Amino acid sequence: DAGVIQSPRHEVTEMGQEVTLRCKPISGHNSLFWYRQTMMRGLELLIYFNNNVPIDDSGMPEDRFSAKMPNASFSTLKIQPSEPRDSAVYFCASSRGQGEGEQFFGPGTRLTVL
Amino acid sequence: GDSVTQMEGPVTLSEEAFLTINCTYTATGYPSLFWYVQYPGEGLQLLLKATKADDKGSNKGFEATYRKETTSFHLEKGSVQVSDSAVYFCALSGASGGYNKLIFGAGTRLAVHP
Repeated sequence: DAGVIQSPRHEVTEMGQEVTLRCKPISGHNSLFWYRQTMMRGLELLIYFNNNVPIDDSGMPEDRFSAKMPNASFSTLKIQPSEPRDSAVYFCASSRGQGEGEQFFGPGTRLTVL
Repeated sequence: GDSVTQMEGPVTLSEEAFLTINCTYTATGYPSLFWYVQYPGEGLQLLLKATKADDKGSNKGFEATYRKETTSFHLEKGSVQVSDSAVYFCALSGASGGYNKLIFGAGTRLAVHP
């Protein structure tokens, strides 16, 4: 299996632009998670889906952030408009079922907003 | 709410030294406990896990024992190598019987010198 795939790996954009991050979970996994990692705040859970349905989006910082999972093999995290404080590494992770807890992380997208 | 507390880093050791990274947790119910490792420029990877009290998780020479009486899951390794330099995250899951949402500690950076 290829593992969790994220694209792009690096993104540099200017303040005010729309940014879309993409994730392909491991086939057969039915839970998907988006995290943000910064030096100041550490690793934060933004949102997670189970069977393509958003279960908990309480970690989404504000309305500029939105996430979708149109099918079991694809998810997007969108920031519109982007701001310099959104600069971070964004990770997608997937897991199988409920209760076991083991999550498999992608390599991350390093976002820089100028 | 549920939480994980790790010792602050960085931890700096010489090669072949003994490693302990402390982790304690607060949770309702009976969580599973995990250690994840993040190497530079990569996503998190599961290092080891334990699903019930007194279980010992082990992998790559690392060990951690689930201690319910002290609500701890300390990570240990008898002889560290330079290649162990990374950030280590303690996490818990499933504490509330809900979906497999991981709650992470802040991470502890380990630097091993030759």
